[in-house]
Amino acid sequence: QVQLQESGPGLVKPSETLSLTCIVSGSMSSYYWTWIRQPPGKALEWIGHISYSGSPNYNPSLKSRVTISLDTSKNQFSLKLNSLTAADTAVYYCAKTRGARSPLDSWGRGTLVTVSS
Amino acid sequence: IVLTQSPGTLSLSPGERATLSCRASQSVSSTYLAWYQQEPGRAPRLLIYGTSTRATGIPDRFSGSGSGTDFTLTITRLEPEDFVVYYCQQYGSSPQSFGQGTKLEIQ
Repeated sequence: QVQLQESGPGLVKPSETLSLTCIVSGSMSSYYWTWIRQPPGKALEWIGHISYSGSPNYNPSLKSRVTISLDTSKNQFSLKLNSLTAADTAVYYCAKTRGARSPLDSWGRGTLVTVSS
Repeated sequence: IVLTQSPGTLSLSPGERATLSCRASQSVSSTYLAWYQQEPGRAPRLLIYGTSTRATGIPDRFSGSGSGTDFTLTITRLEPEDFVVYYCQQYGSSPQSFGQGTKLEIQ
């Protein structure tokens, strides 16, 4: 069974760029790899996903600031989010789906990112 | 697609039946509607996908139904561990979207 683990800084300054990595144990072939976030006490927000072939799809609300990339040689995928504000403070989850239109069937434990000076 | 869940909070007792609603701002194919359960401090867990198919290991007291813009998660014979937060999600249209959640609390 595929397992996922997020890693990255817990604290980032406003206007800076957040970089998170999701390490995947198990095969990355044929799946889609997704980032979701959840501000404290609030609902889930789909950030975007990337296919095994490396084709990304982003939420238009974040598209100008977000990049999702894949490194299959290291069995990981990454999220970069620039021009951070306090509104980007959230728990960030990585997750896996079987296709572009499939449910999120495996999740990482999540990592809290706080944007503050 | 905006998903609106109701009620925001549902107060029931163990052993009772819970009915959670998810209404979409436009029609969602039943193939692309899921429900997740989230315990405090934990990642969400997939409960139901394709409107009514239970994910692996999910007990049969959880069931899903609906079509078009109205979907329902039903939990029969509530257990103490069921009193957490539930989210619906549509994954057929981009961007994928979630409802704001329903918190199930012990009465």
